[in-house]
Amino acid sequence: EAQVTQNPRYLITVTGKKLTVTCSQNMNHEYMSWYRQDPGLGLRQIYYSMNVEVTDKGDVPEGYKVSRKEKRNFPLILESPSPNQTSLYFCASSPSRGRTSTDTQYFGPGTRLTVL
Amino acid sequence: TQLLEQSPQFLSIQEGENLTVYCNSSSVFSSLQWYRQEPGEGPVLLVTVVTGGEVKKLKRLTFQFGDARKDSSLHITAAQPGDTGLYLCAGATDSSYKLIFGSGTRLLVRP
Repeated sequence: EAQVTQNPRYLITVTGKKLTVTCSQNMNHEYMSWYRQDPGLGLRQIYYSMNVEVTDKGDVPEGYKVSRKEKRNFPLILESPSPNQTSLYFCASSPSRGRTSTDTQYFGPGTRLTVL
Repeated sequence: TQLLEQSPQFLSIQEGENLTVYCNSSSVFSSLQWYRQEPGEGPVLLVTVVTGGEVKKLKRLTFQFGDARKDSSLHITAAQPGDTGLYLCAGATDSSYKLIFGSGTRLLVRP
């Protein structure tokens, strides 16, 4: 089954304790992205990756890191989480992000993170 | 900064009623997508519109892209409880690899 998987689905942690949220897709997609969703703010892009070893900042990259060493995986790293990073996080992938900008983005099920 | 404003933010209607959700911007987009998100899940694409004035129909859902490609609407005819969810519009431009999302419209259809 074609899908985007995220782990963990739920995480409660404390300020400053490094964490990684994994994201994996089995559709051989080139483009992957991380979003955070907060009430009243919709989805905001954190980082995106056009392909292996190619990443770029989205609208809200502060406090986050990503890596794209393999095509299928795009982990999100919080080196020192803070309470304002409490949010619902989504990973997404799409076949490409060409100039037509019409690709379907396939979203993972989400990771609900609480930072105390 | 490109922004997409959705209205209304919340909508609670009775089964069988019609409704329209709006997505507006001062910016021009090369394409606009509509997603629906159900609790505990990620958004799922409903439709993509790319041409100014374009109208697409998906069963009881009608999507329209404004002539100037700055706005879009989603009209649902005879809403059903299964239509309940968060509806998100998202715009893309040819000059950026980013997708800009609206803040969403939360729809509740009561039986």
